[in-house]
Amino acid sequence: NAGVTQTPKFQVLKTGQSMTLQCAQDMNHEYMSWYRQDPGMGLRLIHYSVGAGITDQGEVPNGYNVSRSTTEDFPLRLLSAAPSQTSVYFCASSGPGSSGANVLTFGAGSRLTVL
Amino acid sequence: RKEVEQDPGPFNVPEGATVAFNCTYSNSASQSFFWYRQDCRKEPKLLMSVYSSGNEDGRFTAQLNRASQYISLLIRDSKLSDSATYLCVVLSGGYNKLIFGAGTRLAVHP
Repeated sequence: NAGVTQTPKFQVLKTGQSMTLQCAQDMNHEYMSWYRQDPGMGLRLIHYSVGAGITDQGEVPNGYNVSRSTTEDFPLRLLSAAPSQTSVYFCASSGPGSSGANVLTFGAGSRLTVL
Repeated sequence: RKEVEQDPGPFNVPEGATVAFNCTYSNSASQSFFWYRQDCRKEPKLLMSVYSSGNEDGRFTAQLNRASQYISLLIRDSKLSDSATYLCVVLSGGYNKLIFGAGTRLAVHP
């Protein structure tokens, strides 16, 4: 059981380039989300999805696009990378844990540097 | 004021020590609370949920004080392997309303 898989783990971009961070989960979770984590700050929600075909903005959506064509996949697209988007990005999905309560499960993270 | 605030630490403690972390939250309507653990350069992982009556999981005890709007995490008999950053997480609605604290770093030394 792979859980939540993110690729790539590391990426360096030049300002203005675009790229897609991939996220896939095999737990049949309806809820998926993308966070960014910056030093001294908590994880901040970028976009989220409550099911295939449904996406919505989080706290810091500017400069990012998402789509959810299947339950399993939730890619995050950077349209025109800026140095302010240098961060660690985490994809997460939510579903019932062993206790029955919903648990947020994270991918291993993607470190992005924009020069 | 941040919605969820934690002392960033680091807390440097010897093995065997007892250490406590506090976290305050600003939204009195928050309904669920969690502690996550994050190892260096790794993803956060759920450590434990926090229940109104307080709850224990081995050496870890979590408590909630709704009146004062804070939650706490107590770690007894610290181990080297407890060294990590501990994230306080508060839910104030659907899962899009999960608010993460910036984390408290714990370093346990021999």
